[in-house]
Amino acid sequence: NAGVTQTPKFQVLKTGQSMTLQCAQDMNHNSMYWYRQDPGMGLRLIYYSASEGTTDKGEVPNGYNVSRLNKREFSLRLESAAPSQTSVYFCASSGQIFRTAEKLFFGSGTQLSVL
Amino acid sequence: GQQVMQIPQYQHVQEGEDFTTYCNSSTTLSNIQWYKQRPGGHPVFLIQLVKSGEVKKQKRLTFQFGEAKKNSSLHITATQTTDVGTYFCAGRGSGTYKYIFGTGTRLKVLA
Repeated sequence: NAGVTQTPKFQVLKTGQSMTLQCAQDMNHNSMYWYRQDPGMGLRLIYYSASEGTTDKGEVPNGYNVSRLNKREFSLRLESAAPSQTSVYFCASSGQIFRTAEKLFFGSGTQLSVL
Repeated sequence: GQQVMQIPQYQHVQEGEDFTTYCNSSTTLSNIQWYKQRPGGHPVFLIQLVKSGEVKKQKRLTFQFGEAKKNSSLHITATQTTDVGTYFCAGRGSGTYKYIFGTGTRLKVLA
């Protein structure tokens, strides 16, 4: 079982370029999440998808768009990258929200630098 | 919106000393979870607390959920070098799928 897979692991962009971060889970989970991690800021929620076909804004959605392509895949798009979007991005999934054994499973992260 | 604060931001301890991190939410939580992130790694789930006043133990780690379900703590007894990492709490409000993370406490253990 691969769990949660993120691609790419590293990416360097120039200001204004666009890119899509890919995330896929093989655990048949309903809920998926995108977080960004900056030093001293913890993990901040960008967008989440409670189930296939739905997406909602988190704490810091500006400058990002998401697509829940199917139950397995949840992508994050930067339309016009800015230096403030330099961060480590984590995708996570959970199959047990509102049940007794909730937990988030995280991917290994994407380190993104915007020059 | 829901905010989760965590203190301290950093903690350096000598091996064998105890360590505590505290988590406070601006709103009442349905549950709270704790995660550990090793340097260069991703967050890994440790435990979930659901009931008001709940206390759970995992070997040297003790987790508490406040009576008002707005605060929580993680206490490590007799730290070891393997405890090094950043500890995060994450809270979910009632009726929402959103997990909001605290700012984290970075623990360094000096041998």
